[in-house]
Amino acid sequence: GAVVSQHPSRVICKSGTSVKIECRSLDFQATTMFWYRQFPKKSLMLMATSNEGSKATYEQGVEKDKFLINHASLTLSTLTVTSAHPEDSSFYICSAWRTSGSPDTQYFGPGTRLTVL
Amino acid sequence: KNQVEQSPQSLIILEGKNCTLQCNYTVSPFSNLRWYKQDTGRGPVSLTIMTFSENTKSNGRYTATLDADTKQSSLHITASQLSDSASYICVVSGRAGTALIFGKGTTLSVSS
Repeated sequence: GAVVSQHPSRVICKSGTSVKIECRSLDFQATTMFWYRQFPKKSLMLMATSNEGSKATYEQGVEKDKFLINHASLTLSTLTVTSAHPEDSSFYICSAWRTSGSPDTQYFGPGTRLTVL
Repeated sequence: KNQVEQSPQSLIILEGKNCTLQCNYTVSPFSNLRWYKQDTGRGPVSLTIMTFSENTKSNGRYTATLDADTKQSSLHITASQLSDSASYICVVSGRAGTALIFGKGTTLSVSS
């Protein structure tokens, strides 16, 4: 099946620093990728929709200046958490929308565990 | 409002037993329904995906059903194994290219 990778898988940073998370679709092109956040024992929460070559669409309540999203190519989207705070500690998951084939399918990355000290 | 409701919230069963998880949705328009398995600290992994015209789909010991008229789906797990312990998430897709709508998941614990 299709593979979506995320890097890094785990990151620990100090408050006030910025952290970049990469999401790559390894064997298909994805014009649309999604970024989710998941708290312990909770469901995934959509943060933003990343569209290749255009600005991301953020969900209500998600600060676009804090969570910078760049979808520079059809296989790569990045999420940068700027000026990280301990409350940003969470599990971040990306997904890539594969539109070729039927039905269209969304594939998830393995997730990135962010811990802000 | 587009919603996906799952039940039960959590379930504990003995190894080797069968179980059935439920999913009700109020998503319109409807494109497809997926069941995912998510192990703790990992990303979701797709088990099944069904479109409007499909009533049942199997993937090994996992069998999903879909009743598009009543907007209900179930995931049946047979002969459970310890490795089945995970969160099972029902996800409904509306129009193509739009965000998925997630249920809150059912946490399954299989004990020996």
